[in-house]
Amino acid sequence: NAGVTQTPKFRILKIGQSMTLQCAQDMNHNYMYWYRQDPGMGLKLIYYSVGAGITDKGEVPNGYNVSRSTTEDFPLRLELAAPSQTSVYFCASRREYEQFFGPGTRLTVL
Amino acid sequence: GQQVMQIPQYQHVQEGEDFTTYCNSSTTLSNIQWYKQRPGGHPVFLIQLVKSGEVKKQKRLTFQFGEAKKNSSLHITATQTTDVGTYFCAGHRGETSGSRLTFGEGTQLTVNP
Repeated sequence: NAGVTQTPKFRILKIGQSMTLQCAQDMNHNYMYWYRQDPGMGLKLIYYSVGAGITDKGEVPNGYNVSRSTTEDFPLRLELAAPSQTSVYFCASRREYEQFFGPGTRLTVL
Repeated sequence: GQQVMQIPQYQHVQEGEDFTTYCNSSTTLSNIQWYKQRPGGHPVFLIQLVKSGEVKKQKRLTFQFGEAKKNSSLHITATQTTDVGTYFCAGHRGETSGSRLTFGEGTQLTVNP
């Protein structure tokens, strides 16, 4: 199993640009999550999904959108990127109570 | 909303010394989880505690869940350089395990050889 994969690993965006962060898992987990981690800080939940077709807002959803058309994929969309969205983004999936994290996407908005 | 606080934010120790990080929640937790993140890496699950007063051990790591289920601690005995990283606690709110974890801000541990 590849586990949780994320692409790209790094990205620089200009203010106002849009992009999609990709996340996929091959463990057939229903629960999936998107977090952001600012330098020296903990993880803040952006959006989560309890299964295909179901998504819900987390702690910091503004400026982001998600979709969950399949069990495997959970992309995160940034519209009109802002400097405040500079962060490391982690996707995770959950088996029972344990969350498995992807390697992260480091995003810089200039 | 629920807040999970960790102290200290940073800890520097000499190899062989002990280390403890503390986690406190503003609300009762149904369970507490601990994760480790190596520098430049992603969080990795260590353990989950569910019962009031529960204590679990993993080799040199000891995890405790408070009687009131509002606090927890992680203690590392005789630290090694491989223990370097940031340790996060994370909790599910309320009496049942929900979908959302609230993470503390972590304790960053450095170990001098």
